[in-house]
Amino acid sequence: EAQVTQNPRYLITVTGKKLTVTCSQNMNHEYMSWYRQDPGLGLRQIYYSMNVEVTDKGDVPEGYKVSRKEKRNFPLILESPSPNQTSLYFCASSLKGLNQPQHFGDGTRLSIL
Amino acid sequence: DAKTTQPNSMESNEEEPVHLPCNHSTISGTDYIHWYRQLPSQGPEYVIHGLTSNVNNRMASLAIAEDRKSSTLILHRATLRDAAVYYCILREGEYGNKLVFGAGTILRVKS
Repeated sequence: EAQVTQNPRYLITVTGKKLTVTCSQNMNHEYMSWYRQDPGLGLRQIYYSMNVEVTDKGDVPEGYKVSRKEKRNFPLILESPSPNQTSLYFCASSLKGLNQPQHFGDGTRLSIL
Repeated sequence: DAKTTQPNSMESNEEEPVHLPCNHSTISGTDYIHWYRQLPSQGPEYVIHGLTSNVNNRMASLAIAEDRKSSTLILHRATLRDAAVYYCILREGEYGNKLVFGAGTILRVKS
């Protein structure tokens, strides 16, 4: 089944403890991106990747890192998480960019205490 | 980023058509109009997109005004499963690199 898989789905952790949220897609998509969703602010793009080894900042990249070493994986790294990064995170992918349907994962709910 | 304006919420009866409006008066000639929806506790789901002409797919139809300053997403027969937040999004030009989600319209479907 074609899908975007995020792990973990839920995480409660403490300030400063490095964490990685994994995102994997099995559709051979070139474009991948990360969003965060907060009440009253909607979905905001964090980072995106047009293809392997090509990444760029979205609207809210501060405090996050990404890498794209393989086409299928696009992990989101929080080197030193802070409470303002408590949010619902979504990974998305598409075949070649934004004029194809974006396929979203089911989300990862992060709580940083 | 060009902005869109949508009603906060709308209500529909099951099995009836639903017309979800979106205003985008500052749209530029190369901005694409995208619609996504988000069901409760799920990630957003692609619905449809277009540039100038009306578009149809198995989920919905997109009617774009001649001046492109507004568009309407049409669900031909609403079901309870269509209850969701619907987002109208403008994507900048052919090579724009992001989708900017607004607050969307909460659609409630009554049985």
